[in-house]
Amino acid sequence: KAGVTQTPRYLIKTRGQQVTLSCSPISGHRSVSWYQQTPGQGLQFLFEYFSETQRNKGNFPGRFSGRQFSNSRSEMNVSTLELGDSALYLCASSLEIPRVKEFFGPGTRLTVL
Amino acid sequence: DQQVKQNSPSLSVQEGRISILNCDYTNSMFDYFLWYKKYPAEGPTFLISISSIKDKNEDGRFTVFLNKSAKHLSLHIVPSQPGDSAVYFCAATVQGGSEKLVFGKGTKLTVNP
Repeated sequence: KAGVTQTPRYLIKTRGQQVTLSCSPISGHRSVSWYQQTPGQGLQFLFEYFSETQRNKGNFPGRFSGRQFSNSRSEMNVSTLELGDSALYLCASSLEIPRVKEFFGPGTRLTVL
Repeated sequence: DQQVKQNSPSLSVQEGRISILNCDYTNSMFDYFLWYKKYPAEGPTFLISISSIKDKNEDGRFTVFLNKSAKHLSLHIVPSQPGDSAVYFCAATVQGGSEKLVFGKGTKLTVNP
């Protein structure tokens, strides 16, 4: 069974631009979560989608948004990029609720210049 | 306020010895705990978990101990191998609640040959 895939793997943007990251969960998994990993903060939860609905949201500004499609694929969007948005963005999928065990993708490394 | 804390950013041990990674939590509602391992350029991979109804869970060389009264858990790796060198994240959640995984900042383990 294929794992969680994320595209692109690496991205360089400049301040003020926007970016869209994509995540394809493991086949059959309906829950998709997004995390931001930075050296100083570890993994911070962004949001979770289940059956195209946002179930949980972390403490990030409204510039961070996401959505999930009917095939469970998910996208995450960051508008008006700031230097501090440079991070590894991880997507994780799980089979169902309760979401106690997640499978992570390799991440998208975003660099904002 | 960090609800899951890994106070040691790094740990170095000799091959064949025991590695002990520690994690503390503040939210007494947490009832399920997980450890993830992360290699560079890869997403975290699930390692082992424990429910609050247990105080120990073992899987091969990996054992997780939970001390609910102290709100402390630890991961023991015996014997440690160079391939265990990675960043280890502790995570906690409330089953049946928001089910959001709350991660610590991680501990970088280096196993020296």
